[in-house]
Amino acid sequence: GEDVEQSLFLSVREGDSSVINCTYTDSSSTYLYWYKQEPGAGLQLLTYIFSNMDMKQDQRLTVLLNKKDKHLSLRIADTQTGDSAIYFCAEIPNDKIIFGKGTRLHILP
Amino acid sequence: ETGVTQSPTHLIKTRGQQVTLRCSSQSGHNTVSWYQQALGQGPQFIFQYYREEENGRGNFPPRFSGLQFPNYSSELNVNALELDDSALYLCASSQSLAAQETQYFGPGTRLLVL
Repeated sequence: GEDVEQSLFLSVREGDSSVINCTYTDSSSTYLYWYKQEPGAGLQLLTYIFSNMDMKQDQRLTVLLNKKDKHLSLRIADTQTGDSAIYFCAEIPNDKIIFGKGTRLHILP
Repeated sequence: ETGVTQSPTHLIKTRGQQVTLRCSSQSGHNTVSWYQQALGQGPQFIFQYYREEENGRGNFPPRFSGLQFPNYSSELNVNALELDDSALYLCASSQSLAAQETQYFGPGTRLLVL
């Protein structure tokens, strides 16, 4: 079946690293994505990783992919208050994008 | 700002009514996708249009229909509204069908069905 699972809530102190985890079910997905949704806004693509890669780094963002375990993570270094949002993991099996339910990241002062 | 706009921003309808939601894609983007996001959920894929033809559909009934126009605008029509249709409806445009092509999302239309 097609399903993307994420923990629903993460609380992190400002300046610490945030790690948001995701598991997916369809190994045929060529790309895996991380989207950010701020209150009252649409989704913003943060980054994506090709399925034959283990890691991708883009400034404060690091994506790790464990294809064997179908596990994807997003690490945000030096978390800032502007990072407060809902983060969605997504895969595209069969040309139809499947989103997780999202992880709400809360930043503590 | 992505350049994708949606109208209206909010809408209230009653059960059984029909609704049309509109999306204006970025210029040059010939692919548009529509999503339904219920409260506390991730977006669910409704359908995608490419060059004015439906190119794929999620698990939504036929009363959800769409149109795409040559001027990069598109519509989502929902007939016989049900209470469970209350959600944020998002459209996203992209330059092509390629899976790695970035989808640019609009801010959404929030529909409440009473």
